[in-house]
Amino acid sequence: NAGVTQTPKFQVLKTGQSMTLQCAQDMNHEYMSWYRQDPGMGLRLIHYSVGAGITDQGEVPNGYNVSRSTTEDFPLRLLSAAPSQTSVYFCASRQTSGGLYTDTQYFGPGTRLTVL
Amino acid sequence: GQQVMQIPQYQHVQEGEDFTTYCNSSTTLSNIQWYKQRPGGHPVFLIQLVKSGEVKKQKRLTFQFGEAKKNSSLHITATQTTDVGTYFCAIRERGSTLGRLYFGRGTQLTVWP
Repeated sequence: NAGVTQTPKFQVLKTGQSMTLQCAQDMNHEYMSWYRQDPGMGLRLIHYSVGAGITDQGEVPNGYNVSRSTTEDFPLRLLSAAPSQTSVYFCASRQTSGGLYTDTQYFGPGTRLTVL
Repeated sequence: GQQVMQIPQYQHVQEGEDFTTYCNSSTTLSNIQWYKQRPGGHPVFLIQLVKSGEVKKQKRLTFQFGEAKKNSSLHITATQTTDVGTYFCAIRERGSTLGRLYFGRGTQLTVWP
């Protein structure tokens, strides 16, 4: 199993450009999510999905769109990049047990995005 | 959303010294998870605590969940340079079995040889 994969690893954008960060998992997990990590701020949830066709907002959703057409893929779209979106982006997935057992969350390697 | 406070934000220790990080919530938690992130890496799951007063050990790491299930701690005995990284706690959104995970801001541990 490859686990959670993300592409690209690094990206530089100009203000106003759009792009899609790719995320895929091969563990058949229902739950997938996107976080951004900024120095001193921990991991903040952007969007999440509990299954194909179902997405919802997290703590900091503005400026980002997501869709979930398959169980495996969960892309994150930046509509019009802004310098405030310079960050490290992590995709994560987990199985959902309803709290019956440990819901280990697996993270991808991250995408380091700079917006000029 | 739910918040969890994590302290300290930074900790610098000499190799061989002990280290502890704490997470505190104003509300009762269903469970709490701990993650470690090495410099330049991604968070990696360490453990989940569920029961009131629970204590779990992984080699030199000891995890505790408070009796009231409002706080938790991670203690590392005799730190080594391999312990360097940021340690995060994470809590599940209250009242939802499919809930979001909220992360603390992390404690960044530096170990001097």
